[in-house]
Amino acid sequence: EDKVVQSPLSLVVHEGDTVTLNCSYEVTNFRSLLWYKQEKKAPTFLFMLTSSGIEKKSGRLSSILDKKELFSILNITATQTGDSAIYLCASLMNYGGSQGNLIFGKGTKLSVKP
Amino acid sequence: EAQVTQNPRYLITVTGKKLTVTCSQNMNHEYMSWYRQDPGLGLRQIYYSMNVEVTDKGDVPEGYKVSRKEKRNFPLILESPSPNQTSLYFCASSWNLSPGELFFGEGSRLTVL
Repeated sequence: EDKVVQSPLSLVVHEGDTVTLNCSYEVTNFRSLLWYKQEKKAPTFLFMLTSSGIEKKSGRLSSILDKKELFSILNITATQTGDSAIYLCASLMNYGGSQGNLIFGKGTKLSVKP
Repeated sequence: EAQVTQNPRYLITVTGKKLTVTCSQNMNHEYMSWYRQDPGLGLRQIYYSMNVEVTDKGDVPEGYKVSRKEKRNFPLILESPSPNQTSLYFCASSWNLSPGELFFGEGSRLTVL
């Protein structure tokens, strides 16, 4: 069975801390790994990772994929209260000739205290 | 403004009464998809469509139907809703899946009594 597992499920830190969120996957026909941030409503896109070992960065956020060990991490440095959100990891797969099958993990709820 | 629009945003209905949740995007995106989000279960894909007249099942398609007759619209149909379909539903679209950037609608909260 295809699955994406995120850890921890929840995390409380203080402003200025650095956090690492984990995402492991066991899927057939893996294509890419995606990260999203969900605050009050709809998820917003953060990163898409297709190749191993290539770090993607956006401000204080960065992410990397390890296709050998089947996991990805999302790092947030110098956290701010505005980083409080649920972070979602998803695996995009090729399935039956189609390329749009997406499986999400359950998310990591990050709370950043002032 | 580029957006994905879902309607209705909130709905309370009763078991067995057919309903349709509409989804429309104005970005000329090829890919559209539907998800449900439940506490403790995360986002789960219901159906997706790579283009007009092309639809595929996601992980939880039972009890749902979709159609993609035109590029901008991707309605989700619940022919005979049941209480276990009470959930928060999201529609999303993407130019294609290479950049991976899905644009999500604001969500539709559905309650089936």
